[in-house]
Order: sequence, then structure tokens, then C-alpha cells
Amino acid sequence: GENVEQHPSTLSVQEGDSAVIKCTYSDSASNYFPWYKQELGKRPQLIIDIRSNVGEKKDQRIAVTLNKTAKHFSLHITETQPEDSAVYFCAAFFTGGGNKLTFGTGTQLKVEL
Amino acid sequence: KAGVTQTPRYLIKTRGQQVTLSCSPISGHRSVSWYQQTPGQGLQFLFEYFSETQRNKGNFPGRFSGRQFSNSRSEMNVSTLELGDSALYLCASSLPGLAGMYNEQFFGPGTRLTVL
Repeated sequence: GENVEQHPSTLSVQEGDSAVIKCTYSDSASNYFPWYKQELGKRPQLIIDIRSNVGEKKDQRIAVTLNKTAKHFSLHITETQPEDSAVYFCAAFFTGGGNKLTFGTGTQLKVEL
Repeated sequence: KAGVTQTPRYLIKTRGQQVTLSCSPISGHRSVSWYQQTPGQGLQFLFEYFSETQRNKGNFPGRFSGRQFSNSRSEMNVSTLELGDSALYLCASSLPGLAGMYNEQFFGPGTRLTVL
């Protein structure tokens, strides 16, 4: 069935370093891959997304890469700041009908001063 | 434009009881999806409603049900509550879209359900 695996589950970096979170998906028919950031006690917020016809997308310090052959995609955060500390979720849209997203299990990112 | 709202925000129930959660989507959004969020499990898809019809369903027992009204507001119901049902229940709304194409979902703040 549809499945998204996300690694690592926790990630601790020093302020200014880069952080990378990786996800793999099971269904080669997936065509849309969003990333959500969820701060403690708040709702998930979309931070960046990528469609299957694009290999890379960048928005300031955040970038996402997609490898359709290997069925994996990654989130890259450069020059991390304390406010980047949150839980990050990757997700995949499977085209089996409806507007359903399948999420990874999340990565707790901690940016230390 | 007002965001997605959910009521109540917090709920405490005991095992065996039932609960109803409500979600009001962004105006003009006709698709409402529900997710269960638990520590370590991420967000797990419960079901999606579009134009008052369930369009998609996740792998949850029949104790979990939902419905959508003509104004696109949605409710989910959990009967015979179990301890493991304690979670944050999030709903998300989106515009209708073309078949096979994703439309961005906007999440509500969630309802925190605690089952004692």
C-alpha cells in the first residue's frame, strides 16, 4: 500500500549548520510532495513542495530535491536558526483518488545555540 | 479570509464513551480531510469528504466515522472510545480540483482528545 518513510526521527544541529531530512515513498505514481513544519502546540504549515516533473526547488534557506527513480525526496535547510526548531513532516500525494496525503512519521529538529 | 476552525479544542472523555468533533473549512473549500496525530506515528489519514460524500478512507476501525454537511462543515465521530484514541485530531480543507491533481490542504488547529 501507500507508504512514506522518514529519517531521522530526531536531528540536532548547531546554529548556522545545515540540516537534511530524507523521505522515501512507495507508489511510483505519486506526483506531489509537500513538506510541513509543525511548531509545538501549533498546526502543520506548508513550507515547501515539489511536483514530480521537477528535480529541485528552492526558497531562500530551504530546498527540496526529488529523485523519482529512487523514489526519495529530501528537505535541506541551510544556515539553521533557533526558530527552525520544530517537527518536520514529509508527505506524498497518491493519485488513487481524492485529496489524500500520506505522511512520514516526522523529524524533530533542534537547532542549538 | 478566516482559516479552518475546529471545535472543541480540548476534550476529555472516558473509555466507552463517544465523541463528536467539528470542523469548519475555509469559505469556498469543499474538501475536508481528517487526520489523527499521535507521537511517533505522525499524521494518519482518517477520511476525506467532498460534496457531502466520503471520497477516501484510511485504515481505521468502523468506530471512526464522519459526515459532511451541505455548507461543507464536517464532523467526525468516534464511538466506544479506547485509551489508544487519545490524540490530536486535525482537519484540513482544500478547494476542489481536477481528478488526480493535488490541491493544497490548510489545517485547522486540531482537537486534543484525551481518553481516560
